[in-house]
Amino acid sequence: QLQLQESGPGLVKPSETLSLTCIVSGGSVSSTGYYWGWIRQPPGKGLEWIGSIYYSGSTYYNPSLKSRITISVDTSKNHFSLKLNSVTAADTAVYYCARRVGGPYYFDFWGHGTLVTVSS
Amino acid sequence: QSALTQPASVSGSPGQSITISCTGTSSDVGSYNLVSWYQQHPGKAPKLMIYEGSKRPSGVSNRFSGSKSGNTASLTISGLQAEDEADYYCCSYAGSRGGVFGTGTKVTVL
Repeated sequence: QLQLQESGPGLVKPSETLSLTCIVSGGSVSSTGYYWGWIRQPPGKGLEWIGSIYYSGSTYYNPSLKSRITISVDTSKNHFSLKLNSVTAADTAVYYCARRVGGPYYFDFWGHGTLVTVSS
Repeated sequence: QSALTQPASVSGSPGQSITISCTGTSSDVGSYNLVSWYQQHPGKAPKLMIYEGSKRPSGVSNRFSGSKSGNTASLTISGLQAEDEADYYCCSYAGSRGGVFGTGTKVTVL
């Protein structure tokens, strides 16, 4: 069974860079037809798609966050990562990693999520 | 980017049917039959309930069904059960904008 697990600091200072990694087990990030994405949810609020990556390195970003985000994939380590720079309190959220099925565009496997708080 | 519009809350008694709407535009819901629905219990990750508008993943109860008309997608839960009480989110492919989620709907079982 495919499993995804987010890892990274739970506290980031304003103006710094948020860095998270999603470790994939029970499957391969190199599987064709699947994309690997990040979604976030501020406390008490709704879901927001951040971006996705294919194993080839092709990336797809939310236009509203595009200037601040970088998503990368390491096929040798079977994980993918998110970097969000110049963070503010508005970036405080639970960050989920998820597998997206390519053409049909849906997220079928999710990590448990990790809370990242932006505070000095 | 603008979120898809869902009612903030919907409620029903056990055994009843409820419908949650998800309204977008001709650039997302209206252009693609690529709406998915997710159930989220408190403190948990979202769970896929419907994809491609009306298809159910293996293991999801057939009490859940999806449809679309124009720029609005809908999720219907029939035979409402206590375990269905949760937040529900729609998501649509939106072309160059990638994926757009709905504002979310809290379902309460009375």
